[in-house]
Amino acid sequence: DVKVTQSSRYLVKRTGEKVFLECVQDMDHENMFWYRQDPGLGLRLIYFSYDVKMKEKGDIPEGYSVSREKKERFSLILESASTNQTSMYLCASSLGSGRPNQPQHFGDGTRLSIL
Amino acid sequence: AQKITQTQPGMFVQEKEAVTLDCTYDTSDQSYGLFWYKQPSSGEMIFLIYQGSYDEQNATEGRYSLNFQKARKSANLVISASQLGDSAMYFCAMRVDGGFKTIFGAGTRLFVKA
Repeated sequence: DVKVTQSSRYLVKRTGEKVFLECVQDMDHENMFWYRQDPGLGLRLIYFSYDVKMKEKGDIPEGYSVSREKKERFSLILESASTNQTSMYLCASSLGSGRPNQPQHFGDGTRLSIL
Repeated sequence: AQKITQTQPGMFVQEKEAVTLDCTYDTSDQSYGLFWYKQPSSGEMIFLIYQGSYDEQNATEGRYSLNFQKARKSANLVISASQLGDSAMYFCAMRVDGGFKTIFGAGTRLFVKA
């Protein structure tokens, strides 16, 4: 079974702090994704990566950056946290784009509160 | 632009009855896949079922089936014989073949009553 592990289930930080959310997958997946989930809005894509050191902006990248130095690890960085970044953050991974029926596999999520 | 619409914010169903969760989608691409995920209160997203746009048969996985009507651009999830453990948030999603991005709907919260 694919395992996607997010470093924290709950996190509380202060406005202006630099925040790191870590995600590790153990199935050698090429693609990794960061989403934020807010009530009534579903999941919105922040950034994704299709290979080591490669990254692409999603729909809401402002205020975030990412890092993928190793295939199994994808980090989301809030450069200067703000209260409107309080949300649930979900990491996902999947096999390469040549496999259309492959679902994404998700971590348990990190509920981040910015005070 | 691609879009997924789930018009039912919340649904109630009696235990052991069947329930249909609605999903409509919008895309100009001809080749795409549709997915349903379940999110229990614990937070983890669980993949349930997949339907390819060229699949002629509706997908089924155990108690889950997908009522795919391509001309109407709908991909409704049918859960048969509902169980208390089916209470969760359900998301419909779409990905264009060859693409990386998956588009999610806003979700439907299902409550199963004993």
